[in-house]
Amino acid sequence: DGGITQSPKYLFRKEGQNVTLSCEQNLNHDAMYWYRQDPGQGLRLIYYSQIVNDFQKGDIAEGYSVSREKKESFPLTVTSAQKNPTAFYLCASSPRLVDPDTQYFGPGTRLTVL
Amino acid sequence: GESVGLHLPTLSVQEGDNSIINCAYSNSASDYFIWYKQESGKGPQFIIDIRSNMDKRQGQRVTVLLNKTVKHLSLQIAATQPGDSAVYFCAEDGGSNYKLTFGKGTLLTVNP
Repeated sequence: DGGITQSPKYLFRKEGQNVTLSCEQNLNHDAMYWYRQDPGQGLRLIYYSQIVNDFQKGDIAEGYSVSREKKESFPLTVTSAQKNPTAFYLCASSPRLVDPDTQYFGPGTRLTVL
Repeated sequence: GESVGLHLPTLSVQEGDNSIINCAYSNSASDYFIWYKQESGKGPQFIIDIRSNMDKRQGQRVTVLLNKTVKHLSLQIAATQPGDSAVYFCAEDGGSNYKLTFGKGTLLTVNP
């Protein structure tokens, strides 16, 4: 059963804590992405990685960090420096070396800061 | 009061009717467009895509139309069903295949 998995589905964080959101894919995709979704707004790109051991900042990278040590995994850490972290976080992946390079999404993680 | 940004455009249709959802895109350099469906609390699901060298593409019960002259994209859903109720949003690639720009979405409600 191929696809993208995210865990946990719901996450609660106290102010001042770092939390890490998991994203795993078994689609053999080279590229992976993290987006943030807020009510009534379009998706905003946090970080993306086009290949293992390489990643770039998106439009709203401040307060977030990522790693890409394995092709299948692209965890996102929401640090205490992120001023407004409560949101729905979506991970996506795409093949990269095909045309068109369509992005497919995971089920999301809803993060709430208490 | 509430922020205007919290309110999505909405479309309410009767079951069995056809639905048309519109999207205006911003970048004339965009070469590739995607429609996604997002149900409440879930991740977006790919519906259909179209390249800029096409005007129309059909899938199962869905059709995407592209008008490059006015930078307009539409999604037509035939014989709309209650299971089609969701937020639909378009995405454009802006000429770059790794940085999609997403619309805010339209909430489709299908009444039985």
